[in-house]
Amino acid sequence: KAGVTQTPRYLIKTRGQQVTLSCSPISGHRSVSWYQQTPGQGLQFLFEYFSETQRNKGNFPGRFSGRQFSNSRSEMNVSTLELGDSALYLCASSSAGPPLEYFGPGTRLTVL
Amino acid sequence: KNQVEQSPQSLIILEGKNCTLQCNYTVSPFSNLRWYKQDTGRGPVSLTIMTFSENTKSNGRYTATLDADTKQSSLHITASQLSDSASYICVVSLNYGGSQGNLIFGKGTKLSVKP
Repeated sequence: KAGVTQTPRYLIKTRGQQVTLSCSPISGHRSVSWYQQTPGQGLQFLFEYFSETQRNKGNFPGRFSGRQFSNSRSEMNVSTLELGDSALYLCASSSAGPPLEYFGPGTRLTVL
Repeated sequence: KNQVEQSPQSLIILEGKNCTLQCNYTVSPFSNLRWYKQDTGRGPVSLTIMTFSENTKSNGRYTATLDADTKQSSLHITASQLSDSASYICVVSLNYGGSQGNLIFGKGTKLSVKP
């Protein structure tokens, strides 16, 4: 069974630009969550999608948004990038049951 | 406030030695506690998951304990190997059902195993 895949793996952008990250969950998983990981703050929850609906949202500004498609693939968008958005963005998927998510390898975003 | 605190922040040990990582939490209502291993540049990988009624769980050389009364958990690594060098993250779930949004993360312990 293929794991969670994320593309791209690395990304360099400049301040003010926008970026879209993609996540393909494990086959059969309908829940996809996004996390931001920085050395200072550790892992922080961004949002969760389940069957194309946002089910939960963390404490991030509106510049961070996401969506989920009918095949459970998810995208995350960050607009008007700031230097502080430089981080590893992780996607995780799980089935509809208790949370036992599987993480993807992450997308390393660098904002210059 | 729901919080998960891990100690130490970093740890260096010699190959073959044992070590114990700590996780204290103030999370309510509690559902389960997980330990993850995260290699540099990679996503976290689940090591163990324990519910309220479980007080120990093993995964190979990794043994996690949970004391729900004192709200403490530990991860013991036996006979460490160079490949154990990673960050270990403690994550506590709130008891609000299956949503992944109700997770409280510790900031992790960075373990370095030296030859």
